Amino acid sequence: DIQMTQSPSTLSASVGDRVTITCRASQSISSWLAWYQQKPGKAPKLLIYKASSLESGVPSRFSGSGSGTEFTLTISSLQPDDFATYYCQQYNSYTWTFGQGTKVEIK
Amino acid sequence: EVQLLESGGGLVQPGGSLRLSCAASGFTFSSYAMSWVRQAPGKGLEWVSAISGSGGSTYYADSVKGRFTISRDNSKNTLYLQMNSLRAEDTAVYYCAKGATIFGVVTYAFDIWGQGTMVTVSS
Repeated sequence: DIQMTQSPSTLSASVGDRVTITCRASQSISSWLAWYQQKPGKAPKLLIYKASSLESGVPSRFSGSGSGTEFTLTISSLQPDDFATYYCQQYNSYTWTFGQGTKVEIK
Repeated sequence: EVQLLESGGGLVQPGGSLRLSCAASGFTFSSYAMSWVRQAPGKGLEWVSAISGSGGSTYYADSVKGRFTISRDNSKNTLYLQMNSLRAEDTAVYYCAKGATIFGVVTYAFDIWGQGTMVTVSS
């Protein structure tokens, strides 16, 4: 099975900071990588699909890049509403796997 | 409005069974693959099972294979998860999620999620 490793596990940042989260796959997944944002007590929200495509309605400060085994989620200028936990998710051969999550905290 | 609404969670003893339901509205249910994703208290997300739009193909995580069964009734716009031989480690919030298809292309992401239903396995 493909393993997804996110880093860092926790990130402390200030409003206006540029933030980057990395997700590495244990083997190539082409571009079948998505990113989600989850706030406490709420369902996850899709941000990015196919590694770099922005979901409709998601602010343009969110962007994704990468292919193969290494992927990044970047928030260009962190806003108060962005403090949350972020998950990557891969698809390969009828199996979906999530990363362990990255919590973005207020510095 | 596109919406998913889970129900059926609760407290069950180890070895017991439970059936979760997910009522869909606001989209053509039969056109989309659906999945169940769970989240243990304080933990991350774990994909559990998926089913094709027709219901003809089903997929499971190794952790639930042989114990859980996913199904759907497209005439009722409802997704199900039959959970048997439940274990303490199955304790989690269970979400149903819609497979994202963008401009007719399957993306293998999940674009619509329900609010979740809590399953607690404990004696």
